[in-house]
Amino acid sequence: GENVEQHPSTLSVQEGDSAVIKCTYSDSASNYFPWYKQELGKGPQLIIDIRSNVGEKKDQRIAVTLNKTAKHFSLHITETQPEDSAVYFCASQTGANNLFFGTGTRLTVIP
Amino acid sequence: EAGVVQSPRYKIIEKKQPVAFWCNPISGHNTLYWYLQNLGQGPELLIRYENEEAVDDSQLPKDRFSAERLKGVDSTLKIQPAELGDSAVYLCASSLNTGAQETQYFGPGTRLLVL
Repeated sequence: GENVEQHPSTLSVQEGDSAVIKCTYSDSASNYFPWYKQELGKGPQLIIDIRSNVGEKKDQRIAVTLNKTAKHFSLHITETQPEDSAVYFCASQTGANNLFFGTGTRLTVIP
Repeated sequence: EAGVVQSPRYKIIEKKQPVAFWCNPISGHNTLYWYLQNLGQGPELLIRYENEEAVDDSQLPKDRFSAERLKGVDSTLKIQPAELGDSAVYLCASSLNTGAQETQYFGPGTRLLVL
């Protein structure tokens, strides 16, 4: 089955700096890669996603890049704000099958 | 539009007792998922429904876990009897499955503590 690895497990940045979270996947057939943000006491919330026919996608301060050859994808958050502090999960999916999640990155933005 | 609703939000029980969780998906969503999230980990799928049919329950521990989605809308997940290791967050998610990959929307989860 699919194996998704996520790094780092914790990340602290100063407010205004950038944050980068990286994930790798094992199934070359995976073609959909969402990123979720989970705040304390809440369920995961989709923040951005990318499909395998696209190399990069951006939404305001958030961007995701995908390297299919290397089987890795990354989340980039620029101009970080304290409200960006949360746990971020990457995931991968093959076709209409199930999502496989990474182990999460706890991001702390220091004011 | 209301999101995925789950109840209860918190549950504390003693081991060997039964427990049930309820989920109401987003209106019109035909696919419903139950996930298990252990502390410090990502969600792991327990079961996926397409309408009333459980299309993937391979990760559901069937000796003690059961689930149903009788009318293709609400769903319940049951554990009987509960064990200490079942303490976790149980997340419900839903999506509108059109054959392509659709966003899964998660509820707030039920936090279970087994004593």
